[in-house]
Amino acid sequence: EAQVTQNPRYLITVTGKKLTVTCSQNMNHEYMSWYRQDPGLGLRQIYYSMNVEVTDKGDVPEGYKVSRKEKRNFPLILESPSPNQTSLYLCASKNDRPMSSYNEQFFGPGTRLTVL
Amino acid sequence: KNQVEQSPQSLIILEGKNCTLQCNYTVSPFSNLRWYKQDTGRGPVSLTIMTFSENTKSNGRYTATLDADTKQSSLHITASQLSDSASYICVVSDYSSASKIIFGSGTRLSIRP
Repeated sequence: EAQVTQNPRYLITVTGKKLTVTCSQNMNHEYMSWYRQDPGLGLRQIYYSMNVEVTDKGDVPEGYKVSRKEKRNFPLILESPSPNQTSLYLCASKNDRPMSSYNEQFFGPGTRLTVL
Repeated sequence: KNQVEQSPQSLIILEGKNCTLQCNYTVSPFSNLRWYKQDTGRGPVSLTIMTFSENTKSNGRYTATLDADTKQSSLHITASQLSDSASYICVVSDYSSASKIIFGSGTRLSIRP
């Protein structure tokens, strides 16, 4: 089944404790992206990647890191989490060629993060 | 500034009734507009996509309309079912950048039996 998977689905942690949220897709998509979703604000893009070893900042990259060493994986790293990073995190992927903006993004199920 | 605004923020209707959700955008140059459905605890799933030249598109009981002149879109749900309870998100793509996608904050729809 074609899908985007995320782990963990739920995480409660404390301020300053480094964590990684994994994202994997099995559709051979070039483009992958991380969003955070907060009430009343909609989805905001954190980082995106157009292909392996190519990553770019989105609208809210501060406090986050990403890497794209393999096409299928796009982990999100919080080096020193803070309470304002409590949110729902969504990973997405899509084909990037051709007519890229028309291609549907497929979303993972989300990771609910709470930072105390 | 590119923006996507949705209304209402939330809506409660009885099962079997129809409803219409609104989306206004200021994204330019416009490429396409998608409506996503997001069930509680799940990621968004695409319902429809509309380009500049399309006025209406249906997906079962969901019908989306687009007025590119007024930069407005609507999502009409016919004969609502309990499974329609979800958030509906309007997403607009900027033609100038393949990676620039602007999300609305969504409408939370609740269907009551």
